[in-house]
Amino acid sequence: GAGVSQSPSNKVTEKGKDVELRCDPISGHTALYWYRQSLGQGLEFLIYFQGNSAPDKSGLPSDRFSAERTGGSVSTLTIQRTQQEDSAVYLCASRVDRFRGGYTFGSGTRLTVV
Amino acid sequence: AQSVTQLDSHVSVSEGTPVLLRCNYSSSYSPSLFWYVQHPNKGLQLLLKYTSAATLVKGINGFEAEFKKSETSFHLTKPSAHMSDAAEYFCVVSDQNNKFYFGSGTKLNVKP
Repeated sequence: GAGVSQSPSNKVTEKGKDVELRCDPISGHTALYWYRQSLGQGLEFLIYFQGNSAPDKSGLPSDRFSAERTGGSVSTLTIQRTQQEDSAVYLCASRVDRFRGGYTFGSGTRLTVV
Repeated sequence: AQSVTQLDSHVSVSEGTPVLLRCNYSSSYSPSLFWYVQHPNKGLQLLLKYTSAATLVKGINGFEAEFKKSETSFHLTKPSAHMSDAAEYFCVVSDQNNKFYFGSGTKLNVKP
């Protein structure tokens, strides 16, 4: 598509439930990044995918967080047993590859855990 | 609708000389504006933010930015570049729903 699409744009969930956040990158972009921004905080790197290489998961805050990218395109970020501190805006970005092109960011998913 | 334009994809300066990274935005209301920096293999770090207080905003590492409503600009400056400033910089605007719109980034190269 023309831009990076994230869904849902807003999600309210109960503490302890699992959630899935989706990112549709720009077609042909091999690099895909997930970030989150908690209230009053800067952006926090979570994970990035580059082509068929093993993803860099170094930013995932706990083992409740996981992400996958099917067919080198759509990515899903899953948070299991959500906690209130997971409330944040989750942002996805894609790029031609790790070294080339500008980043294009989606407009984010606002997750609220109640 | 909100949008952000970073006018230069690459900027190269010599160490000790001034840095200017340009950003223009469009917004249908008074926006919040941010500059973030990303060093290689690191996550994005907030440099500074404007949220309708003083138009000249000072950030970390000697950076500052001036909000100019008449020019719809929020350019990032630093009087004297350091080698450690070499990174990618993003201008960001957020809307009234706290959604973020990012510029495409400016790579800053600092030559010795």
